[in-house]
Amino acid sequence: DVKVTQSSRYLVKRTGEKVFLECVQDMDHENMFWYRQDPGLGLRLIYFSYDVKMKEKGDIPEGYSVSREKKERFSLILESASTNQTSMYLCASSLFQGMGDTIYFGEGSWLTVV
Amino acid sequence: AQSVTQLDSQVPVFEEAPVELRCNYSSSVSVYLFWYVQYPNQGLQLLLKYLSGSTLVKGINGFEAEFNKSQTSFHLRKPSVHISDTAEYFCAVSEGDKLIFGTGTRLQVFP
Repeated sequence: DVKVTQSSRYLVKRTGEKVFLECVQDMDHENMFWYRQDPGLGLRLIYFSYDVKMKEKGDIPEGYSVSREKKERFSLILESASTNQTSMYLCASSLFQGMGDTIYFGEGSWLTVV
Repeated sequence: AQSVTQLDSQVPVFEEAPVELRCNYSSSVSVYLFWYVQYPNQGLQLLLKYLSGSTLVKGINGFEAEFNKSQTSFHLRKPSVHISDTAEYFCAVSEGDKLIFGTGTRLQVFP
């Protein structure tokens, strides 16, 4: 089975802190994604990466950056956390850069910014 | 850009009753469509997907969905739900390498 592991399930951070959310996949997938999930808004794509050191902005990239130094690892960075970034963050991966591939999700990271 | 509409934010239903969760998408061109389920405090899990071929797609846990191109719909159905089906269900459409998700439908099954 595909395994997408997010390092932290629950985090509490203070406003202005730099926050790292880490994600690792174990199936040699090319594509990795970071989504944000909010009630009533569904999932919104923050960033995705289709190769090491490659990244593309999703629908809501403001206030976030990403890093992909190794194929299996994709990090989401909040340079200066704000309370409106309190949310559930979901990492995902898929095999090919093609349409129709299943995207596999991690269990999510609940971030609270106070 | 693609968009997905899930008209029902919540669907309450009694156990063993049938259920339909509605999903409409925006594109008139060929699309790939997905249904994902999210159980409490978990990530999303694929229920089923439509890529091509038969318009009736069968998935896990007894769910099925029907692709209707003329109505741009991809409704999810189950003939008899169980308490364990209580979860949030997301419809999604592909756009390049990405998935565009709907806002979700919370299915609440009562005994």
